[in-house]
Amino acid sequence: ILNVEQSPQSLHVQEGDSTNFTCSFPSSNFYALHWYRWETAKSPEALFVMTLNGDEKKKGRISATLNTKEGYSYLYIKGSQPEDSATYLCAPTDNYGQNFVFGPGTRLSVLP
Amino acid sequence: DTAVSQTPKYLVTQMGNDKSIKCEQNLGHDTMYWYKQDSKKFLKIMFSYNNKELIINETVPNRFSPKSPDKAHLNLHINSLELGDSAVYFCASSQPSGGQVQETQYFGPGTRLLVL
Repeated sequence: ILNVEQSPQSLHVQEGDSTNFTCSFPSSNFYALHWYRWETAKSPEALFVMTLNGDEKKKGRISATLNTKEGYSYLYIKGSQPEDSATYLCAPTDNYGQNFVFGPGTRLSVLP
Repeated sequence: DTAVSQTPKYLVTQMGNDKSIKCEQNLGHDTMYWYKQDSKKFLKIMFSYNNKELIINETVPNRFSPKSPDKAHLNLHINSLELGDSAVYFCASSQPSGGQVQETQYFGPGTRLLVL
């Protein structure tokens, strides 16, 4: 998996707004899709890992869905808070976790 | 307890020098990685290494070499540092899942390298 795209590149929302962004990847040889949250001046932290088409994961106000047939995943944040401001990275893997490639990220800024 | 640690946190050095960045993980993981955060803030894999196999990103100059004294450590050695090597370098570790999806990577805090 070489070509991972995320959109939008950056996003500004008001506190309380809900938002979502997209990760696109080649659907062939897909094995798993990881989402990471990366705050400025910190290290990336894992949010979710999904494998099956139609998978949906939820962690508090953040949820993610996966479509392996068409090669995309959505990340949703409900009621955004300033502490949600971060870069959200997706990373598809193939061949049982090899070729772990990060997307360019979506940079989210939540304005109070 | 810090799961993945890196030292130093900051490194400022002159062009042409040789330097090392150390990484240690106390998670008992078998696989460790080095990433470079490039000028566009993208996270690019440099190496992945376990006790069986070293996988090198072919775009990484051979001035960069990983050294693993044991399973818990993967140090990054850089020879003849160049200005373009200035970046943030992240170490990470994961546990191969043997077919189950538990490949989540745990990252160190990063080392900010500045080459003058």
